Amino acid sequence: AQSVSQHNHHVILSEAASLELGCNYSYGGTVNLFWYVQYPGQHLQLLLKYFSGDPLVKGIKGFEAEFIKSKFSFNLRKPSVQWSDTAEYFCAVKGYSSASKIIFGSGTRLSIRP
Amino acid sequence: EAGVAQSPRYKIIEKRQSVAFWCNPISGHATLYWYQQILGQGPKLLIQFQNNGVVDDSQLPKDRFSAERLKGVDSTLKIQPAKLEDSAVYLCASSPFANTDTQYFGPGTRLTVL
Repeated sequence: AQSVSQHNHHVILSEAASLELGCNYSYGGTVNLFWYVQYPGQHLQLLLKYFSGDPLVKGIKGFEAEFIKSKFSFNLRKPSVQWSDTAEYFCAVKGYSSASKIIFGSGTRLSIRP
Repeated sequence: EAGVAQSPRYKIIEKRQSVAFWCNPISGHATLYWYQQILGQGPKLLIQFQNNGVVDDSQLPKDRFSAERLKGVDSTLKIQPAKLEDSAVYLCASSPFANTDTQYFGPGTRLTVL
């Protein structure tokens, strides 16, 4: 069965610190991978996505993620966080076929100390 | 471009009562999704529509939940009767096509069942 694991439930960092949020998935086939973000009081929105090609994907606001197929991982990174990055981050996986549904992880709450 | 609209934003009901949620997707988007997000968890897909047809409702508790999208535009999700464990945020999302990458989420309806 498909599943997504986000082991860090709450991460607290100071401004300018580097960020890495873990995401591991379980799926027997080709996958599409996503990171969604929900800023306080706002809707869920797409941060970045991986479909194929270069496993290092760049998204909005300086975020990037690396797909490592052998480790079934799609970790999110940012070299220097800002207070405005405070949000909840969700990793998601979807099988390549149109019949596959998207599965979200439980989310990681990121708090940035100013 | 107007986003996905949902109403009401908040709803409090007693267990065994009925409740309905409404969603208006982004104009022209063929695919509409309903998700349930329980506190501390990621969104879980309940049902996916392609125009006015159901693509996936495998995770919809059909004994109490129903959804329709009669004219391929607006959609309603109903719970009858509600249980305590239905307390959650119900998210509606839309996308231009069935197997597209980006889903656009609405603000959600927060349901509390007492």
